[in-house]
Amino acid sequence: DGGITQSPKYLFRKEGQNVTLSCEQNLNHDAMYWYRQDPGQGLRLIYYSQIVNDFQKGDIAEGYSVSREKKESFPLTVTSAQKNPTAFYLCASIPGQGYGIPGELFFGEGSRLTVL
Amino acid sequence: DAKTTQPTSMDCAEGRAANLPCNHSTISGNEYVYWYRQIHSQGPQYIIHGLKNNETNEMASLIITEDRKSSTLILPHATLRDTAVYYCIVGGTSYGKLTFGQGTILTVHP
Repeated sequence: DGGITQSPKYLFRKEGQNVTLSCEQNLNHDAMYWYRQDPGQGLRLIYYSQIVNDFQKGDIAEGYSVSREKKESFPLTVTSAQKNPTAFYLCASIPGQGYGIPGELFFGEGSRLTVL
Repeated sequence: DAKTTQPTSMDCAEGRAANLPCNHSTISGNEYVYWYRQIHSQGPQYIIHGLKNNETNEMASLIITEDRKSSTLILPHATLRDTAVYYCIVGGTSYGKLTFGQGTILTVHP
């Protein structure tokens, strides 16, 4: 079945270590997004990519980095520069223009990162 | 980018209609209004979207004002399983920045 796969689901890291969260989609979607969610809060946009080899900063990009070398993959690295990285991270994608509901976001199940 | 404003929380009795408002006064002419909901610790789920006309699907109805500055999501017969956080967002034309607000916590009571 098509969908978005995020891994790992749970991750524990020591302070100061870089961490990479994986996001893979087999939906042939063009655009991909990373959001961060803190307890009791809404989703905040970290980075998004509308096409391979191109991405833009969202509202809270500091301390994060991404790459989009393949259409299917949009990994997020949480660097040691991120002051408070413990959070729930959600990856999403959108079909290309002319396919499906315009702008409908398809979400993965999320990755919960805890920095000790 | 258009921003949205929603009430922090709402309550609804089971079986009654839940009407969730959203203000999006800076929406541009070609931007859609989308509604999603999130049940604890899961990714948000798409509910419905609209541009100008009112829309209805198997889950909900969406009423958009004529000036498009606000909208209302209607769950016609709320059930306990509709308890969730509901997000209203705008965008979707160029698949660019899609920003979520704080959302509305809807609690459906027996």
